[in-house]
Amino acid sequence: IAGITQAPTSQILAAGRRMTLRCTQDMRHNAMYWYRQDLGLGLRLIHYSNTAGTTGKGEVPDGYSVSRANTDDFPLTLASAVPSQTSVYFCASSDQAGGLGNEQFFGPGTRLTVL
Amino acid sequence: GQNIDQPTEMTATEGAIVQINCTYQTSGFNGLFWYQQHAGEAPTFLSYNVLDGLEEKGRFSSFLSRSKGYSYLLLKELQMKDSASYLCAVSDSNYQLIWGAGTKLIIKP
Repeated sequence: IAGITQAPTSQILAAGRRMTLRCTQDMRHNAMYWYRQDLGLGLRLIHYSNTAGTTGKGEVPDGYSVSRANTDDFPLTLASAVPSQTSVYFCASSDQAGGLGNEQFFGPGTRLTVL
Repeated sequence: GQNIDQPTEMTATEGAIVQINCTYQTSGFNGLFWYQQHAGEAPTFLSYNVLDGLEEKGRFSSFLSRSKGYSYLLLKELQMKDSASYLCAVSDSNYQLIWGAGTKLIIKP
């Protein structure tokens, strides 16, 4: 694989169910991010990880959790899905967490519908 | 609060030039990014500005004025494949990206 992969591509989920969105990168990037994208709104940061073993909360973390056990994987878990979590979810990575010109690379996204 | 403003939608003609504006108010500034996003796809990087002035990259150019909190993306010789959303994002004092809602660009033949 090259770049970032996400799974599943799309999912329909009943409210109250638990769901984990998977994200894997093979670029050996230190930093990884989870965003949600909703119509009419900009990308909003859910959680981030500056390096393996550390995570932080973004703008909209409630209802979501993440882990970063190794460099490559950054799963996002919805413990008990609600309809307001219906969105397109993008995972992204960058070489470093900070620094000027630190471009983020995005996965193809997961389209999640919570009914 | 932090805010990024861009027009919601613009229409242009194939072969023409279009300028997409972005104004921002953020806590700190560590550069401004432009990304392109085709419908149903992931955003892809176009340009980065951290100093005032114009950065040119082929048919695309990006301008920044830090004192005015303003940037624009200039697309020349428009092609149908340029139909996409263009996202403006500012790196704040914590190097987190604050994103605008995007400008949907429609190219007509």
